[in-house]
Amino acid sequence: DTAVSQTPKYLVTQMGNDKSIKCEQNLGHDTMYWYKQDSKKFLKIMFSYNNKELIINETVPNRFSPKSPDKAHLNLHINSLELGDSAVYFCASSQEELPGTDTQYFGPGTRLTVL
Amino acid sequence: LAKTTQPISMDSYEGQEVNITCSHNNIATNDYITWYQQFPSQGPRFIIQGYKTKVTNEVASLFIPADRKSSTLSLPRVSLSDTAVYYCLVGAMNTGFQKLVFGTGTRLLVSP
Repeated sequence: DTAVSQTPKYLVTQMGNDKSIKCEQNLGHDTMYWYKQDSKKFLKIMFSYNNKELIINETVPNRFSPKSPDKAHLNLHINSLELGDSAVYFCASSQEELPGTDTQYFGPGTRLTVL
Repeated sequence: LAKTTQPISMDSYEGQEVNITCSHNNIATNDYITWYQQFPSQGPRFIIQGYKTKVTNEVASLFIPADRKSSTLSLPRVSLSDTAVYYCLVGAMNTGFQKLVFGTGTRLLVSP
């Protein structure tokens, strides 16, 4: 029973392509996130969704767009992929609306490689 | 934004106590401090969270001084399996938005 799952685990694609990463949580949490971890292992938040409402939007390019069809899913769409998008992307979820005050549960990550 | 600073790496031996400190000079009144552990090719995993003074659970202790400008994660009697990267996270709020700032992470290496 995986709490937070992501697909695919690995994604290799060409520059300029459009791709999506899916995330699902079965914890009944209200808030979901996307993080990017670069080659230097810096973990940076990209987006946060609470009840389908975007509540955090860091300075990420608008080529990245989160889509939440329901409370249990938060997908990440990336258009016109660039070399610098290569990284590991983590999905996470938490129960409380104020994520800094509650535990986040992370998915296993999706390693994106842009060639 | 509450920026955090941690040592890049630490070395220890099995059975020793390890203390990892995180500096967060700009911590706001409503911020909580959370520590995560990350193994290679895995997502971060929650260790402990606190607001002030001391918090203890079955795996670690978290010490937060009165001014809350720093925090120390204490791992008692580490084992080889504690080799991982440890992140300090300070939750911040700014009317209408929440900005979460992870530290740069501390790579702990435990040797036999």
